[in-house]
Amino acid sequence: ETGVTQTPRHLVMGMTNKKSLKCEQHLGHNAMYWYKQSAKKPLELMFVYSLEERVENNSVPSRFSPECPNSSHLFLHLHTLQPEDSALYLCASSQEGQAIYEQYFGPGTRLTVT
Amino acid sequence: AQSVTQLGSHVSVSEGALVLLRCNYSSSVPPYLFWYVQYPNQGLQLLLKYTTGATLVKGINGFEAEFKKSETSFHLTKPSAHMSDAAEYFCAVTFTGGFKTIFGAGTRLFVKA
Repeated sequence: ETGVTQTPRHLVMGMTNKKSLKCEQHLGHNAMYWYKQSAKKPLELMFVYSLEERVENNSVPSRFSPECPNSSHLFLHLHTLQPEDSALYLCASSQEGQAIYEQYFGPGTRLTVT
Repeated sequence: AQSVTQLGSHVSVSEGALVLLRCNYSSSVPPYLFWYVQYPNQGLQLLLKYTTGATLVKGINGFEAEFKKSETSFHLTKPSAHMSDAAEYFCAVTFTGGFKTIFGAGTRLFVKA
């Protein structure tokens, strides 16, 4: 595997379900991100982890819970979601310490909440 | 406050025509500037970036962009559009010491045969 991978690619869940999204980066980076991409809205940064510590949390509802067990893995735990949470969830990684914060994105998980 | 504005949510060009996607930013400190492309059902892919030095930056797939500080712009161009260029393009800005990248709303490029 190379780059940034995300599983599952598609997920349909009811409002009472609990599920998790997984992201893995094979680039040796030390920062990882979760973004939400909804139709007709700009990309929304949800969480940032640097060196496995959360450094950014953009007022995301508590029904989204991130976890970063090591620098290669990032999870997004989901529970009691709402239909408006249906979106493409993108994971990205970058190398902290360089002056150039380009990010490498995974293919995303298409989430549908019914 | 820092922001990124992409002019035109949709741009349509004919195959072989010039592609011009516009991006303006506001910032009180020197930014780092990026263009990303997103094909259907995929994540974002870096096209090119400006950090320091030469203001004309070349990227993948024949795209280039020019940083114009006086105009606070970073427009993306390609001399001749190809059908495979049809995608959504995002301009983004980040700053030294920050983890937050600000993305524009995106411009969807359509290429007509």
